[in-house]
Amino acid sequence: QKEVEQNSGPLSVPEGAIASLNCTYSDRGSQSFFWYRQYSGKSPELIMSIYSNGDKEDGRFTAQLNKASQYVSLLIRDSQPSDSATYLCAVGNRDDKIIFGKGTRLHILP
Amino acid sequence: TAGITQAPTSQILAAGRSMTLRCTQDMRHNAMYWYRQDLGLGLRLIHYSNTAGTTGKGEVPDGYSVSRANTDDFPLTLASAVPSQTSVYFCASSDFGATDTQYFGPGTRLTVL
Repeated sequence: QKEVEQNSGPLSVPEGAIASLNCTYSDRGSQSFFWYRQYSGKSPELIMSIYSNGDKEDGRFTAQLNKASQYVSLLIRDSQPSDSATYLCAVGNRDDKIIFGKGTRLHILP
Repeated sequence: TAGITQAPTSQILAAGRSMTLRCTQDMRHNAMYWYRQDLGLGLRLIHYSNTAGTTGKGEVPDGYSVSRANTDDFPLTLASAVPSQTSVYFCASSDFGATDTQYFGPGTRLTVL
């Protein structure tokens, strides 16, 4: 069973601090990795995608991928109350399927 | 552009009744997906279609059927609804497959009584 694991949270982070969200996956052949943000009652929307080992930065967001450790993370710098949401990690595996983690609830404390 | 639209927004359905959830995309994406999202279980893939004319089963296909007669539309049918099918249903599309970003519709909240 191919799995994507995330800590369900809630993860509470003070406003202005760095929020660190983590995800592990079981299929070593996975090729594509995504972070989606989902506000309560809304649909998921893409934050970042990453395909190669290392870091990828986009504004306040940085995705980090380590395929050897089967680990992907999302860092949010200068956290804002509007970042409070559930963050879904998604992994595209070698069977051309995408598997979603159950999500981490992030709460930014004003 | 509208992206992906879903209808209805919400529905209450009696057990045993049939229903079709509609999904239309205007991005000319090849692949489309249906997910259900339940508290504590996350997003689970019901059915998918990699291109018009083809469909495949996801993680939880039982009790659901789909068709993909053209690029834009991907309806999901519940032939005889059961209370365990109470959920929020999301339709999504991507230009390619699992290596590509998926874009989600606004969702349909279905309650089966």
